[in-house]
Amino acid sequence: IVLTQSPGTLSLSPGERATLSCRASQTVSSSYLAWYQQKPGQAPRLIIYDASSRATGIPDRISGSGSGTDFTLTISRLEPEDFAVYYCQQYGSSPWTFGQGTNVEIK
Amino acid sequence: QLQLQESGPGLVKPSETLSLTCTVSGGSISSSSYYWGWIRQPPGKGLEWIGSIYYSGNTYYNPSLKSRVTISVDTSKNQFSLRLSSVTAAETAVYYCASLKGGWADYWGQGTLVTVSS
Repeated sequence: IVLTQSPGTLSLSPGERATLSCRASQTVSSSYLAWYQQKPGQAPRLIIYDASSRATGIPDRISGSGSGTDFTLTISRLEPEDFAVYYCQQYGSSPWTFGQGTNVEIK
Repeated sequence: QLQLQESGPGLVKPSETLSLTCTVSGGSISSSSYYWGWIRQPPGKGLEWIGSIYYSGNTYYNPSLKSRVTISVDTSKNQFSLRLSSVTAAETAVYYCASLKGGWADYWGQGTLVTVSS
């Protein structure tokens, strides 16, 4: 399954709302989709699994939604620590695959 | 809380075999709750799942790498390992080990850069 993330880069200011898209080439079974945040020089960090479940310690301003082939990560009010690259990953079909990433940068 | 740490050579020659080990602490690698996996990221690029293993030894490999990949587990040392044969320069990447719960990677190692060059 090919995952296509859009936009490639999102330029926003702190306090603004961020909406990231992840579109799959085929249906992702059982909404088996995760989102990760990666900052420069660091390993990715799990933020969402099963499309909408927040990982431990993730604030409720970050949410995931979607099913089938269309998934969305929303950050309601950007905090300085939210500026990073975000990847989606599907684990419903082998091989597990990642999207190419969306860079959320400070405007 | 699980902690994972990759170890192994940072430089491998083309056509040779890349070997890495991941040491797990803060939990047992024999836990039925987890798979253990390897993911790589070429410099400046995205993530690629290499494969994963259950403590029982069941393995799942990315078909694009399957003929060259071996992932094994050593429960006595709480470690799992990656071997990737016949590497090329295009496989220069940061290699991460991770714990996989239900398919998502919830704990990651810090990553280790492996450069393929003569």
